[in-house]
Amino acid sequence: AQSVTQLDSQVPVFEEAPVELRCNYSSSVSVYLFWYVQYPNQGLQLLLKYLSGSTLVKGINGFEAEFNKSQTSFHLRKPSVHISDTAEYFCAVSDQGAQKLVFGQGTRLTINP
Amino acid sequence: KAGVTQTPRYLIKTRGQQVTLSCSPISGHRSVSWYQQTPGQGLQFLFEYFSETQRNKGNFPGRFSGRQFSNSRSEMNVSTLELGDSALYLCASSFGTSGSYETQYFGPGTRLLVL
Repeated sequence: AQSVTQLDSQVPVFEEAPVELRCNYSSSVSVYLFWYVQYPNQGLQLLLKYLSGSTLVKGINGFEAEFNKSQTSFHLRKPSVHISDTAEYFCAVSDQGAQKLVFGQGTRLTINP
Repeated sequence: KAGVTQTPRYLIKTRGQQVTLSCSPISGHRSVSWYQQTPGQGLQFLFEYFSETQRNKGNFPGRFSGRQFSNSRSEMNVSTLELGDSALYLCASSFGTSGSYETQYFGPGTRLLVL
């Protein structure tokens, strides 16, 4: 069974600083990987996804993530954050055969001015 | 193109009651999945419906059930509500036709409070 571990429950950073949110996954089969963002009192918005091909994936709002198969990681990065990036971020994995996502516990990103 | 819509957005019930939540997928999407989000357990998969049939199921008791209509709209029902059922219930839709995973798009959720 797949599982996802987000290594940090909270990450505080200053505005315009870079940030990395860490995600490790466990799966015995090939997987698809995702990062979703959840703003307060809202649903989940897809930031980016890795299905195949290039291991560096670019998403919306300036975010990118790198798939590392040997380390089973899919870390999310942004070179310069803004106050508007304050939200909770979820890493998720799905196997290729089912319409089902397994989520990590989430990382709360707090941006300080 | 309209996104996934969920109704109602907020709901307050008491223990022992039952509740029905509704989800309308993105036009053309035939797969609808439901997830429960709680502070303690995080985001957990409930079930997925495709062409009016339950195709996948998570590890939830039988009090949680769902159905899908011919227009792909889906409803989720929880009977005999417990305090622990208080959660944000999220619906996600996708085309679901390719035989492999397809990106799911989420609605805003229904926040259920059980008193």
